Amino acid sequence: ELKVEQNPLFLSMQEGKNYTIYCNYSTTSDRLYWYRQDPGKSLESLFVLLSNGAVKQEGRLMASLDTKARLSTLHITAAVHDLSATYFCAVVETSGSRLTFGEGTQLTVNP
Amino acid sequence: EAGVVQSPRYKIIEKKQPVAFWCNPISGHNTLYWYLQNLGQGPELLIRYENEEAVDDSQLPKDRFSAERLKGVDSTLKIQPAELGDSAVYLCASSFTGEGTEAFFGQGTRLTVV
Repeated sequence: ELKVEQNPLFLSMQEGKNYTIYCNYSTTSDRLYWYRQDPGKSLESLFVLLSNGAVKQEGRLMASLDTKARLSTLHITAAVHDLSATYFCAVVETSGSRLTFGEGTQLTVNP
Repeated sequence: EAGVVQSPRYKIIEKKQPVAFWCNPISGHNTLYWYLQNLGQGPELLIRYENEEAVDDSQLPKDRFSAERLKGVDSTLKIQPAELGDSAVYLCASSFTGEGTEAFFGQGTRLTVV
């Protein structure tokens, strides 16, 4: 059974600082997604990573995928308050179609 | 462009009562998902449809949960009877079929069972 683990689960950071959220998964996969969820809202797709070494950037967020290490990172550069939200990674096994989510990382950016 | 539409947004029912949720996916998306999200956790798949066929329902508690997707477009998820532990957010998502496609989520239905 595929397991997806994120860390940290809670992250409080100052505006202007950099930080990285990690997503580890337990079986082979070449499809990984990052979503953002604001309180009381639905999930918003941020990145789709489809191959080893894939890197995507949007604004202050950059996501990467290392399929050999079964690891994805979401790097935050010069954080701003608007980035406060919960971030989820989700993985599809190579042999399957089910999207399995991590527990989420609740990010708070303080002024 | 309209996104995934779910209704109702909120529902409060007494335990042992039935409840139903409705989802209309993005036009052209033939894959539809129902997820359950408990507070502070990631969504968990309940069922996935490819057109009108349920292709992954292994995590659906079939003793009380049922779902249908007639005509391969909109879908309903039903719980009968509801239990206190069913209180959660029920999310519907849709996507095109195929590798690499991303799922788009609706606003969800927040169910409270009292």
